[in-house]
Amino acid sequence: DAMVIQNPRYQVTQFGKPVTLSCSQTLNHNVMYWYQQKSSQAPKLLFHYYDKDFNNEADTPDNFQSRRPNTSFCFLDIRSPGLGDAAMYLCATSREDFYIQYFGAGTRLSVL
Amino acid sequence: ELKVEQNPLFLSMQEGKNYTIYCNYSTTSDRLYWYRQDPGKSLESLFVLLSNGAVKQEGRLMASLDTKARLSTLHITAAVHDLSATYFCAVRRYGGSQGNLIFGKGTKLSVKP
Repeated sequence: DAMVIQNPRYQVTQFGKPVTLSCSQTLNHNVMYWYQQKSSQAPKLLFHYYDKDFNNEADTPDNFQSRRPNTSFCFLDIRSPGLGDAAMYLCATSREDFYIQYFGAGTRLSVL
Repeated sequence: ELKVEQNPLFLSMQEGKNYTIYCNYSTTSDRLYWYRQDPGKSLESLFVLLSNGAVKQEGRLMASLDTKARLSTLHITAAVHDLSATYFCAVRRYGGSQGNLIFGKGTKLSVKP
């Protein structure tokens, strides 16, 4: 059974139109992460939550926001997507901070 | 600034052969990760190495960590085609506020019959 579920798998948005990506988990893990991976590049950690505590990476643009309303769900909001934001977005969870991570299948975002 | 260098970036192997992927990092870290990624797919966590001298093995893959040398290795034993994928190492920066988890560029492994 899928343990980390990302929706949708593919998302197309227009330049400047806000978009929200969703991640849910059935593992009851404390930590949830969001990564951005552009084509043929390494993943880049955007931010993570330990429970309700939000931890932003220093170089994550303000255009990217996140919400974690409860243990199971975490959302990535892109307020004004630009062409450079087209990427695969990966959600992951771990039981404790930066321990072994479990990844969802990813959401591939296209910006037109 | 924490930098993570992997080499080689591309590796073509024959089935049955052994090889090692290297991951060097530039500043103190308290843990190092190895991931696998198949083309067009998500990441899969392979290993988390927490201390100097740590060694972990899963099947034909073995990872080790030397924190004094700031070096981790991923050793592949008797490669099989199913191991073809891109392998990333990532290092967690200990303390500070910048760049908590930094990835290497990845090693694209191709195992040929």
